[in-house]
Amino acid sequence: NAGVTQTPKFQVLKTGQSMTLQCAQDMNHNSMYWYRQDPGMGLRLIYYSASEGTTDKGEVPNGYNVSRLNKREFSLRLESAAPSQTSVYFCASSESGSGTGDSFGPGTRLTVT
Amino acid sequence: AQRVTQPEKLLSVFKGAPVELKCNYSYSGSPELFWYVQYSRQRLQLLLRHISRESIKGFTADLNKGETSFHLKKPFAQEEDSAMYYCALEAGNMLTFGGGTRLMVKP
Repeated sequence: NAGVTQTPKFQVLKTGQSMTLQCAQDMNHNSMYWYRQDPGMGLRLIYYSASEGTTDKGEVPNGYNVSRLNKREFSLRLESAAPSQTSVYFCASSESGSGTGDSFGPGTRLTVT
Repeated sequence: AQRVTQPEKLLSVFKGAPVELKCNYSYSGSPELFWYVQYSRQRLQLLLRHISRESIKGFTADLNKGETSFHLKKPFAQEEDSAMYYCALEAGNMLTFGGGTRLMVKP
């Protein structure tokens, strides 16, 4: 099992550009999550999907959109990137949907100039 | 709203010394708390959860509801314990993380 995979690993964008971060899991988990990790602030939840077909806002959703394409895939889109979105993005999945996020992806390091 | 605080950004100890990483929380309900660890160049992984009352890699954590704390402890630190440690609280379908503590274990 690959677990949780994310693409790309690194990305540099100019302000105003758009991009989609891809996440997939092969563990048949119901719930999936997107976090951003910033120094000194830990991980903050952007959006989550408790089950296929549902999505909900987390702590810091502004400037992002998500799509739960199917049970395996959960993408995060930045429509108009801003320097404040420079961060490391982690996708996670959980079987129980209890929010434990017990399987994390390797992360995507995004820089917006 | 829930909040998790890890007051130390960096904790540096010598090998063999005891370690305590502090975590305090605020939450009006009954908390479920976790510790996650991120080793250098590796993904975040669950270390332990309070409901299982387990010891993983020699680490333990006790939930103290009176002090609203969930400190992570290990009696004898090893160099391979050097990593970022995050305390997290589950509420509803979401995890709220603390800011993290970087543990450095010196030889």
